[in-house]
Amino acid sequence: SQQGEEDPQALSIQEGENATMNCSYKTSINNLQWYRQNSGRGLVHLILIRSNEREKHSGRLRVTLDTSKKSSSLLITASRAADTASYFCATDQEYGNKLVFGAGTILRVKS
Amino acid sequence: ETGVTQTPRHLVMGMTNKKSLKCEQHLGHNAMYWYKQSAKKPLELMFVYNFKEQTENNSVPSRFSPECPNSSHLFLHLHTLQPEDSALYLCASSPQGWQPQMGNTIYFGEGSWLTVV
Repeated sequence: SQQGEEDPQALSIQEGENATMNCSYKTSINNLQWYRQNSGRGLVHLILIRSNEREKHSGRLRVTLDTSKKSSSLLITASRAADTASYFCATDQEYGNKLVFGAGTILRVKS
Repeated sequence: ETGVTQTPRHLVMGMTNKKSLKCEQHLGHNAMYWYKQSAKKPLELMFVYNFKEQTENNSVPSRFSPECPNSSHLFLHLHTLQPEDSALYLCASSPQGWQPQMGNTIYFGEGSWLTVV
């Protein structure tokens, strides 16, 4: 069954604006990761946040994790046209042995 | 260049054909994966190999047959596929076998686009 579910399914913004994507999951996790996929290409790891962390930054990316609500958000600040891609959350379940990916959010940044 | 190379990038095959997808990782990793990505569906894990041994088969039909001759190479043999098997097949690797609580980051190849006609 699907663990992570991203929201919204699609997001269109202007260059320079911030983009926020959300991920909800169902079971307890060890950590949560975000990946990016350019159209028709492989996924690229962006950032990992552990279950005992609440916020993490990497460049223009900010990830938050709320384990009480079983949710995470990915914020991309000052977006660029090159940020256009699909973004996936993936959960490392507490009693699992694999990463489980959500269906993704399609982000389009218009220049 | 991701360190995980997949060939071919595009494959069109008939339902009675036999073909193979190949994956090679140059990262010195010990775990390798096959994922299937269909339109508007979450990424589906198919197979996991740790140190050349298959540790996960996610209820994949037998018309998909994986092979892992060593830690650097992974194949997916395809036989009598159906049109609904058309998808992007992604190979991936990670440094070690699955370790709970360790933060298992996965490195993906560019994928092989498969069309079954």
